[in-house]
Amino acid sequence: GQQVMQIPQYQHVQEGEDFTTYCNSSTTLSNIQWYKQRPGGHPVFLIQLVKSGEVKKQKRLTFQFGEAKKNSSLHITATQTTDVGTYFCALAGGTSYGKLTFGQGTILTVHP
Amino acid sequence: NAGVTQTPKFQVLKTGQSMTLQCAQDMNHNSMYWYRQDPGMGLRLIYYSASEGTTDKGEVPNGYNVSRLNKREFSLRLESAAPSQTSVYFCASRVEGSSYEQYFGPGTRLTVT
Repeated sequence: GQQVMQIPQYQHVQEGEDFTTYCNSSTTLSNIQWYKQRPGGHPVFLIQLVKSGEVKKQKRLTFQFGEAKKNSSLHITATQTTDVGTYFCALAGGTSYGKLTFGQGTILTVHP
Repeated sequence: NAGVTQTPKFQVLKTGQSMTLQCAQDMNHNSMYWYRQDPGMGLRLIYYSASEGTTDKGEVPNGYNVSRLNKREFSLRLESAAPSQTSVYFCASRVEGSSYEQYFGPGTRLTVT
């Protein structure tokens, strides 16, 4: 099945700095989703990207889908302590009943 | 709406013991999923159910069985627990339509000694 590599595995930033996590695939993706998991919590859906070159924004979060649909990124501008957690990308398996394949996740720590 | 609920929240088992993890959703979703989460490995799909009465294997099904009791409930059973099954288990259900968004339950933290 499709696999996705997510980098970096860990990121430590000072509050106010920017943060970016990347998902890369060797094959063309039909869509990609992003989830956030707070420490001790459960994954929460953030967004789904479908179109080549798509860019979506949610306040300080910017999501991009590459032109070739083989990579995606999540960028947070001016991080806050509330941004702490693990960010996952996930691939939906087309017609395979919505099965998701998750990246390994990026653990974000924000130092006040 | 409670969304997706899971019981128990925590469980400690001895090797060889059996148990069932319960999951229920009140959003009338057709599809439900069981994942396990281990450090550095993201979430891996154990089993899923596309609709009431159907189940299928995911990426890591060995050592587990599932039952889709009705549209609301999807349970995961460990017949003979092993230390390798120490993990956090999440149940999820899927929003219908063109989006594949999944709603996750709060998780069950299982330790097998």
